[in-house]
Amino acid sequence: KAGVTQTPRYLIKTRGQQVTLSCSPISGHRSVSWYQQTPGQGLQFLFEYFSETQRNKGNFPGRFSGRQFSNSRSEMNVSTLELGDSALYLCASSLSDYNEQFFGPGTRLTVL
Amino acid sequence: QQQVKQSPQSLIVQKGGISIINCAYENTAFDYFPWYQQFPGKGPALLIAIRPDVSEKKEGRFTISFNKSAKQFSLHIMDSQPGDSATYFCASQSPSGSARQLTFGSGTQLTVLP
Repeated sequence: KAGVTQTPRYLIKTRGQQVTLSCSPISGHRSVSWYQQTPGQGLQFLFEYFSETQRNKGNFPGRFSGRQFSNSRSEMNVSTLELGDSALYLCASSLSDYNEQFFGPGTRLTVL
Repeated sequence: QQQVKQSPQSLIVQKGGISIINCAYENTAFDYFPWYQQFPGKGPALLIAIRPDVSEKKEGRFTISFNKSAKQFSLHIMDSQPGDSATYFCASQSPSGSARQLTFGSGTQLTVLP
């Protein structure tokens, strides 16, 4: 069974631009969560989607948004990029509320 | 903000030794406690996990010890190998049935010397 895939793997943007990251969960998984990983703040929860509905959102500004499609694929968008948005963005999927989360390889975003 | 405190920040052990990483959580509603292993350039990989109804879980060389009253849990890596050199994260998850959210510890950089 294929794992969680994320595209693109690497991205370089400049301040003020916006970016869209994509995540394809493991087949059959309906829950998709997004996390930001930085050396200073560690791994922080961004938001979680289940059946196209955002169920929970972390403590991030409104510039960070996401959505989930009917096939469970998810995208996250960051608008008006800031230097501090440089991070590894990780997507995780799970089968249900009682199952473990599996992470993808992440998208490395660099904001110049 | 609910925190998970992880220690030590870094750990160096000899091959064949025991690696021990500790975590403490605050929210008594957490009901799932996984450990993730992360290699450079990779996403975190689930290593082992425990629920609060048991005090210990062992999978191969990896053991989780869980102390519900102290709100602490730890990872023990027996017979540590150079291939175990990675960053380890403990995490706690919000109650099942509600929105899923993992709260992570700050990570432990483990180095196993050959």
